[in-house]
Amino acid sequence: GAGVSQTPSNKVTEKGKYVELRCDPISGHTALYWYRQSLGQGPEFLIYFQGTGAADDSGLPNDRFFAVRPEGSVSTLKIQRTERGDSAVYLCASSTGTGYEQYFGPGTRLTVT
Amino acid sequence: ELKVEQNPLFLSMQEGKNYTIYCNYSTTSDRLYWYRQDPGKSLESLFVLLSNGAVKQEGRLMASLDTKARLSTLHITAAVHDLSATYFCAVDIKTNAGKSTFGDGTTLTVKP
Repeated sequence: GAGVSQTPSNKVTEKGKYVELRCDPISGHTALYWYRQSLGQGPEFLIYFQGTGAADDSGLPNDRFFAVRPEGSVSTLKIQRTERGDSAVYLCASSTGTGYEQYFGPGTRLTVT
Repeated sequence: ELKVEQNPLFLSMQEGKNYTIYCNYSTTSDRLYWYRQDPGKSLESLFVLLSNGAVKQEGRLMASLDTKARLSTLHITAAVHDLSATYFCAVDIKTNAGKSTFGDGTTLTVKP
């Protein structure tokens, strides 16, 4: 079946602009996770959803970052006033529930110039 | 704050040899994950270890978990070139099962 998909695959934006990154989880997966991965490092937790609600958003670096999952399926990560330090690969994963095997999407490479 | 440390960070080995990657973590946890990442690709789940003493094997890879020592190992048997990749361990803290903390990864290169 279809895996986790993320769009766009690449995004180049200018410093100060607003961006939205989309994640389509595996159908039926109730848990959805966002991570950020910088070159040479492991993924860094940002936020996870159980259903429509954000169960833990403690990894969001500051209030420029926000994520929603209004219908408990697709999620959007929103970044306001982008900074060069936001450049990274943003990974989305989903699972049948928290604590279960996570299936990762291909990621969105964000470059802020 | 949960810390996850992997060693070695880089590993170059000959085909046919055995080696072990170590993953140490700093606080109580009951879930540990191993992932593989190929260059430019996303993460692929290898193993989920849920209890002390858990051992799982898939092909030439075997993972184990010792929750008392806060240690997991990923053992590679008779390495082949196709195993070249970066391997990550990740840990969920006991009180927040959805928030995984990752190590920095072990980049494995298997040479003929």
